[in-house]
Amino acid sequence: SQKIEQNSEALNIQEGKTATLTCNYTNYSPAYLQWYRQDPGRGPVFLLLIRENEKEKRKERLKVTFDTTLKQSLFHITASQPADSATYLCALGEGSGTYKYIFGTGTRLKVLA
Amino acid sequence: SQTIHQWPATLVQPVGSPLSLECTVEGTSNPNLYWYRQAAGRGLQLLFYSVGIGQISSEVPQNLSASRPQDRQFILSSKKLLLSDSGFYLCAWSTDGIGGYTFGSGTRLTVV
Repeated sequence: SQKIEQNSEALNIQEGKTATLTCNYTNYSPAYLQWYRQDPGRGPVFLLLIRENEKEKRKERLKVTFDTTLKQSLFHITASQPADSATYLCALGEGSGTYKYIFGTGTRLKVLA
Repeated sequence: SQTIHQWPATLVQPVGSPLSLECTVEGTSNPNLYWYRQAAGRGLQLLFYSVGIGQISSEVPQNLSASRPQDRQFILSSKKLLLSDSGFYLCAWSTDGIGGYTFGSGTRLTVV
């Protein structure tokens, strides 16, 4: 069955360092991969979309990579700040026409001042 | 600008009671609409999605149903709630099914 794995343990890092979060998947061939931020008690907020033919995408301090051979996406936050503390979710979507994304369980990031 | 409204924010319902959660989107036409559920410590589970009025696709056989009576209105219902229906229910919309979803603020449902 399709499976998306994100590190369930919280990631603690010092302010100013680069945070790297991992999203691994099996039995799936996504055409699109998204990353979201979710704060406690709130709905997820869309951050980045990357397509299967794109290796890397950047937006301000965020960088996402997508390796379809390794079946893995890495999400980086450079110069992290305490305000970046949240749970980050990856979501995978198949080709156009399915309109469906499957979400991982998320990784909780805590940036320490 | 587009906005999504979801209510109520919290709900406590007894087992066996009915449920109706409503979601409306403003500022866009013919959005793709979604209902997700997030159980404690678990990922978002897609329940239903709709690409047009009256068009509902169900992802998981369950005690719930969805309807889309108007272009920008999506309703999640149940005739008889179960304890296992407790969770955080999120409505979302997208323009093309590919780009980022915009989520509502969610409804915390506790079935007692």
